[in-house]
Amino acid sequence: QVQLVQFGAEVKKPGASVKVSCKTSGYTFTSYDINWVRQATGQGLEWMGWMNPNSGNTGYAQKFQGRVTITRNTFISTAYMELSSLRSEDTAVYYCARRIPCGGDCYSFDYWGQGALVTVSS
Amino acid sequence: SYVLTQPPSVSVAPGQTARITCGGNNIGSKSVHWYQQKPGQAPVLVVYDDSDRPSGIPGRFSGSNSGNTATLTISRVEAGDEADYYCQVWDSNSDQGVFGGGTKLTVL
Repeated sequence: QVQLVQFGAEVKKPGASVKVSCKTSGYTFTSYDINWVRQATGQGLEWMGWMNPNSGNTGYAQKFQGRVTITRNTFISTAYMELSSLRSEDTAVYYCARRIPCGGDCYSFDYWGQGALVTVSS
Repeated sequence: SYVLTQPPSVSVAPGQTARITCGGNNIGSKSVHWYQQKPGQAPVLVVYDDSDRPSGIPGRFSGSNSGNTATLTISRVEAGDEADYYCQVWDSNSDQGVFGGGTKLTVL
């Protein structure tokens, strides 16, 4: 069965960086894009970016341009999201999600990781 | 960038029909997806491509999309349907994902 597994929680100081991992299984890792979505406590879902695991190509939300980097290790079917210059407003649960096409510009997120809490605090 | 607008809350009695809207400029020309999120859990896809259901999602969940409004309809609402619901599209102009602000469904 398809699984996206994210590990643990992180506490970081303002100005630091965090790298969140997303280990996938149950399907061919290079066949579907991985996206990252975050959610601050009590807030809505916020899309951050995507990566094609086959080519390594990426795209990021304008809000995070220059601060976020999505990478992968195809040998262990794992995607990573690194966010730099952290500030308190970056405190959130970070989710990875598999993006699946449904024709044309139709893309939904059919499987999600369980989320990883990143807390930014001095 | 493309903006999706949802009402913050919708309330419905058990057994009744809940309708959650998602507004966007000419959203009828886009494919809309809906997610259910319960407290402390990751979102779950309940409707994709306007009106299709993933396997395992009850037929009580349906969707429609026309003009400037997409709608998620939940028939015969149950207590277990109480959750936050988010609409989502892919904005091809910017090649970015877009989520609505979310709607909290309360079952009275």
